Amino acid sequence: DIVLTQSPALAVSLEQRATISCKTSQNVDNYGISYMHWYQQKPGQQPKLLIYEGSNLASGIPARFSGSGSGTDFTLTIDPVEADDIATYYCQQSKDYPRTFGGGTKLELK
Amino acid sequence: EVQLVESGGGLVQPGRSMKLSCAASGFTFNNYDMAWVCQAPKKGLEWVATISYDGSSTYYRDSVKGRFTISRDNAKSTLYLQMDSLRSEDTATYYCARHDPYTVEGVMDAWGQGASVTVSS
Repeated sequence: DIVLTQSPALAVSLEQRATISCKTSQNVDNYGISYMHWYQQKPGQQPKLLIYEGSNLASGIPARFSGSGSGTDFTLTIDPVEADDIATYYCQQSKDYPRTFGGGTKLELK
Repeated sequence: EVQLVESGGGLVQPGRSMKLSCAASGFTFNNYDMAWVCQAPKKGLEWVATISYDGSSTYYRDSVKGRFTISRDNAKSTLYLQMDSLRSEDTATYYCARHDPYTVEGVMDAWGQGASVTVSS
């Protein structure tokens, strides 16, 4: 199985930049496309797709969210952080079965 | 508006069965692969199973193979998860999710609100 590793938590101030990393145990790129996606989950709610294929913004997602990276190292950036962004963020790979998620990074206010 | 509404959760004893349903609306259900994803209390997300748009292909995580069955009824726009031989470690919220057909495989672009399953005696 492809293992995705995220830091458990990140403290950030409002209007500052948040950088959340996801490292995979195997390359999740194929023919130049990253099979890496990011989701946001607020307490008591279902996950929401933010970024797909490493860097593509999902429909309706504000431009302060961006994704980057390739191979085994990926980053979700929120700039600037707003109060509504306080949530847990998950990376997910779809290069192989089983589909796997990172453990989640809880974004907290400093 | 895309809607996925799960039902069928609750309390069940270890070793027993439970069937979850996910009613889809607001899109052409039979054009989309679908999935179940679970989340144990206070834990992260875990993919459970995926079914192709026409039901011809299914995929499972190892821990549920032989115990869970994903299926769909395209005429009713409904996704199912039959869960047999339930264990305490299956206790979780189960989300129904839609796979985006316009991206690479495995992107989940719409999610239901979840159905809670508790396996306990």
